[in-house]
Parts: sequence; structure tokens; C-alpha cells
Amino acid sequence: GIQVEQSPPDLILQEGANSTLRCNFSDSVNNLQWFHQNPWGQLINLFYIPSGTKQNGRLSATTVATERYSLLYISSSQTTDSGVYFCAGRMDSSYKLIFGSGTRLLVRP
Amino acid sequence: KAGVTQTPRYLIKTRGQQVTLSCSPISGHRSVSWYQQTPGQGLQFLFEYFSETQRNKGNFPGRFSGRQFSNSRSEMNVSTLELGDSALYLCASSQQDTYTEAFFGQGTRLTVV
Repeated sequence: GIQVEQSPPDLILQEGANSTLRCNFSDSVNNLQWFHQNPWGQLINLFYIPSGTKQNGRLSATTVATERYSLLYISSSQTTDSGVYFCAGRMDSSYKLIFGSGTRLLVRP
Repeated sequence: KAGVTQTPRYLIKTRGQQVTLSCSPISGHRSVSWYQQTPGQGLQFLFEYFSETQRNKGNFPGRFSGRQFSNSRSEMNVSTLELGDSALYLCASSQQDTYTEAFFGQGTRLTVV
């Protein structure tokens, strides 16, 4: 089945730094999404980005579907950005979301 | 607009018991799917329902089952609980039967002792 790889697995930043998280897919996917999992476990929607680029405040994301990857950019990081970031997508013939293993981000004050 | 609501938030059960978890999707959403999250296996798909029909099932034993009601609310049931069933169970809802954005609830954290 389709494989989703996220990198890096762990990331430690100083507050104010910028970062790029990457998501690679082994096959073409639809409905690519980025999530932030809060300390209580809820997955918070960051971006729904099947292709192209979107921005929301300090966060932006780019998906290049033809090359099977997506990037999440975090600028001027804050301690509240800490947590686990997941990307997920669906294959054409399936209704299920396939998740990467996540990037664990720690932003230090 | 209310988000996806899962109840209960926390559960402690004993091995061998059964448990039922509930999920109320966002109003107007007709697709509900369930995921299990464990430290070792990550986020894994359990099943997906649309208009009371199960359309997709993940690779889980038959002890895991679910259903969807006419108001789109969904329940999942785990029978004969095992220690390995301890996990965070997440429910997601989507608007249509085509591929659209999924929104997740806060999850139910199940501990089996």
C-alpha cells in the first residue's frame, strides 16, 4: 500500500526560528491535509492542500502532487507551535486517510 | 457550527469487557470514519461509514465493529477487550461522499487494564 514518510521525525527550535517539515508519498494521493495534534490528542486542521500553495498567518504549505511531496513552513515559531505535526492523504480508490508517522516539534523559549 | 463530538473522553475498562464509543459529526456531514492511535502503530484507519453503510474497513479483527445511524451519528464497539486495545480513538467527519476535507473530534482515550 501507499507509504507516507515525514521528515524530520524530531525537531527542536528556539523561539523565533523558521522550519520546514516534509511529507513524501510513495504514490499519488488526493485530499492531502496537514494536522497539528494538541497535547490532549485532538487533530487540528492546518491545511487542506491537494495541490498548490496556501498561507495562514505564520504557517504556509505547498503540495507538488506530480512529485508526490508536500511541505509545511512554520515561520517565527512560538512555544505554542510545539506538538506533533501529521500529514495525511487518500488514494484514489479509498476513503481512508493514510497518515505519516509525524514530526515532533519542540519550540524552546 | 459545532465540531465533531466524541464521547466519552476517557474510559477505563477491564480485559474481556466490551466498550462502545460515540461520535457525532459536524452538522451536514454524512461521512464518518474512525482511527486508532497508539505509540507503536501510529494512526491507523478502522472503518468509514456513509449514509449508514460501511464503505471501507481497515485491517483490524472482527472484535472491532461500528455502525452509523440515520442522523449520521456513529458508534464503534470493541468486544472482548485486550490490553493492546488501549489507545486514542479518533473520529473524523467529512461533508460529502466525494473526497473532501476531514475534521477530527477530540478523541476517546481508552485504557484496558
